[in-house]
Amino acid sequence: ELKVEQNPLFLSMQEGKNYTIYCNYSTTSDRLYWYRQDPGKSLESLFVLLSNGAVKQEGRLMASLDTKARLSTLHITAAVHDLSATYFCAVAGNQFYFGTGTSLTVIP
Amino acid sequence: GAVVSQHPSRVICKSGTSVKIECRSLDFQATTMFWYRQFPKQSLMLMATSNEGSKATYEQGVEKDKFLINHASLTLSTLTVTSAHPEDSSFYICSAANGEQPQHFGDGTRLSIL
Repeated sequence: ELKVEQNPLFLSMQEGKNYTIYCNYSTTSDRLYWYRQDPGKSLESLFVLLSNGAVKQEGRLMASLDTKARLSTLHITAAVHDLSATYFCAVAGNQFYFGTGTSLTVIP
Repeated sequence: GAVVSQHPSRVICKSGTSVKIECRSLDFQATTMFWYRQFPKQSLMLMATSNEGSKATYEQGVEKDKFLINHASLTLSTLTVTSAHPEDSSFYICSAANGEQPQHFGDGTRLSIL
């Protein structure tokens, strides 16, 4: 079974700071997704990474994929309060395997 | 982008009743629909995968007689929680996919059993 681990599980950071969330997975996959979830809401798609070395950026978030290392990162630049949410990575195998989630709180 | 409608968004009912949740793909034909369950502050757990016109495939530990899944058409799947009890209270999320579209998620249904 494919296992997906995220690190850290909880993250509290000040506005304006940078930080990186890591997503490690255990077996080969060529598709990795990042989602945002606000409290009480469903998932909002952020990024789809389809190949080794893929990098995508949207606003203050940038995601990358290293399929050889089985690692994806979600980098937060100059965090703002609106980014407070839980972030999940998911790896596509014969089903979706979700990471443990990272609960991010950005403190003004 | 593709839209998946999930209904209802919130249900509160008494223990012992059955609750049906609908998941509709509004602008594409979903050959496969997935049902997830999420407990507070936890990740999504896949409950079952349903393919149109065939029986759902349940994940280990999910009671198929308790969580009835019907995928009668390419745009509709339903999850019925039968004889619900407080421990079934959770956030249920569906998603829809076909060979070309990645998974698109519904807005989720918060189920509370009193």
